[in-house]
Amino acid sequence: DAKTTQPTSMDCAEGRAANLPCNHSTISGNEYVYWYRQIHSQGPQYIIHGLKNNETNEMASLIITEDRKSSTLILPHATLRDTAVYYCIVLTQGGSEKLVFGKGMKLTVNP
Amino acid sequence: GAGVSQSPSNKVTEKGKDVELRCDPISGHTALYWYRQSLGQGLEFLIYFQGNSAPDKSGLPSDRFSAERTGGSVSTLTIQRTQQEDSAVYLCASSPRRLSEQYFGPGTRLTVT
Repeated sequence: DAKTTQPTSMDCAEGRAANLPCNHSTISGNEYVYWYRQIHSQGPQYIIHGLKNNETNEMASLIITEDRKSSTLILPHATLRDTAVYYCIVLTQGGSEKLVFGKGMKLTVNP
Repeated sequence: GAGVSQSPSNKVTEKGKDVELRCDPISGHTALYWYRQSLGQGLEFLIYFQGNSAPDKSGLPSDRFSAERTGGSVSTLTIQRTQQEDSAVYLCASSPRRLSEQYFGPGTRLTVT
């Protein structure tokens, strides 16, 4: 079962920052937060992951609260191509490290 | 470089027939995963390979489903005696190491008529 809670959907204006929230209140010490997205009719695409420190890469930033019970994915300048379903996933270190997808959140970037 | 490839991209089969789906992971990736995505169930894990062994088969829905991986590379997912509820997009992913991102292929859309 997915261990995260996300809003069902969110809209964002093109060029603005998109802040995508995720709750993972039962996360444990050896679990990482991963973000993937799925653009229509494509396979999922990795975005970013983190344990407790904030992370940034060329796609996005990940802000994890100090208690690690929630996080926010930030797309700094959303484009129309960022319209997708975004999945916040808690992944347990060790074992198969399989991804357990929830329902995700549909982000629509509007012109 | 080349990403994960899957074949065929689309497969239509009659109920009761067997099908084989193929996955070519990124070269050098030791971990390989199969998932499927159907309208009613979302994205669900099927099986995980580390090298040629499959330490986690917990997601296979029935004994009609099996998978193998040879030479630590190509993997084949076989569904025997297909049923209509097997209709889904079957996705393969590979990963180079622990706690690394998974790279997904484009999927095989299976339709059982």
